[in-house]
Amino acid sequence: AQSVTQPDIHITVSEGASLELRCNYSYGATPYLFWYVQSPGQGLQLLLKYFSGDTLVQGIKGFEAEFKRSQSSFNLRKPSVHWSDAAEYFCAVGDPGTASKLTFGTGTRLQVTL
Amino acid sequence: GAVVSQHPSWVICKSGTSVKIECRSLDFQATTMFWYRQFPKQSLMLMATSNEGSKATYEQGVEKDKFLINHASLTLSTLTVTSAHPEDSSFYICSASLGAEGEAFFGQGTRLTVV
Repeated sequence: AQSVTQPDIHITVSEGASLELRCNYSYGATPYLFWYVQSPGQGLQLLLKYFSGDTLVQGIKGFEAEFKRSQSSFNLRKPSVHWSDAAEYFCAVGDPGTASKLTFGTGTRLQVTL
Repeated sequence: GAVVSQHPSWVICKSGTSVKIECRSLDFQATTMFWYRQFPKQSLMLMATSNEGSKATYEQGVEKDKFLINHASLTLSTLTVTSAHPEDSSFYICSASLGAEGEAFFGQGTRLTVV
């Protein structure tokens, strides 16, 4: 079965600093990959997704992610973090052949200091 | 974009009672809906897959008699937590898609507290 690992449970960065959140997946073929953000008590907002093609994916709110097949990674990046980016971030992979049935990582909580 | 609405956003119920949560796709027809459960400070765990007009498929370890799922139309799926107990308190989130190949769109979640 596929799995998703987010090694960092909690990350703190200063406002204006760059950010990289790590995500590794275990999957036999090219997966459908997603990054979601969740504010406290809220649902999920899709930041970006990778289905195929260009391995560097641009998302909303200035986020991007790069799919690296050789490393089984799909790390999320942002060049300059804003205080409003503080939230929980989830990486997810679609079940084989589907983009809708998702397996989520354990999440990374981002704290932004001013 | 596609909108999925969950109702209620939060609910408090007494132990032993049943609670129904609705998940609606507002501007598209969802052949498939998914129900996830999220414990505090944890990730989302898939509970079941709901296909319109057929029985839900439950993930291993999920009690289908306790978590009743109905997907009677292409825009509505319901999750009923029967005989709720405090350990059922959690955040429940649904998602909906046009089909297996389509991406999922998430509802805003329902916070269930059983007292």
